[in-house]
Amino acid sequence: DTGVSQNPRHKITKRGQNVTFRCDPISEHNRLYWYRQTLGQGPEFLTYFQNEAQLEKSRLLSDRFSAERPKGSFSTLEIQRTEQGDSAMYLCASSSALTGNGYTFGSGTRLTVV
Amino acid sequence: GNSVTQMEGPVTLSEEAFLTINCTYTATGYPSLFWYVQYPGEGLQLLLKATKADDKGSNKGFEATYRKETTSFHLEKGSVQVSDSAVYFCALPHSGGYQKVTFGTGTKLQVIP
Repeated sequence: DTGVSQNPRHKITKRGQNVTFRCDPISEHNRLYWYRQTLGQGPEFLTYFQNEAQLEKSRLLSDRFSAERPKGSFSTLEIQRTEQGDSAMYLCASSSALTGNGYTFGSGTRLTVV
Repeated sequence: GNSVTQMEGPVTLSEEAFLTINCTYTATGYPSLFWYVQYPGEGLQLLLKATKADDKGSNKGFEATYRKETTSFHLEKGSVQVSDSAVYFCALPHSGGYQKVTFGTGTKLQVIP
């Protein structure tokens, strides 16, 4: 297993455009998380999936944000009508409900909205 | 709700110096506590954890002791190396499992030769 994989690593987009990020978790992990990290801050929780069910969403996740995990494997995070304030590092993490060993993070997708 | 407070950085140390990064927490109950590390250009990695009071987590020469009486989980290393330069995050999960984790703001460590 190569760990948690995120694509793309970097994304530059114009304000108002839609973007989609992908996360492939560790295959045996049934829990998947999205976090957002801005410069100089710790990661902030966005949303959580257990298998294909989205069980929790932060109030940070406005109507323009949507996340899916259709088959309980990979996940996508879409941002519609991007704004400059969306510029951040978007981190995906996965974990196993069985082992409870904490998260394994991906390297993140850095979004820049110009 | 649960929260963590970390000492502000950056922290600049010479190689082989002693490191302490302070972390205090506010929580309901007695959750596990974590330290994560983020090397430049990479995602966060779990560095160590402690699951109950008086537990000591350790990894790669780093240690942290879960102190219930002072609600602290300070990170220490006896002799830092240049390769330890990174950002360190204290974190704790919300109750009921690992559905959501609250991170501190991070402390940047720079070790100079």
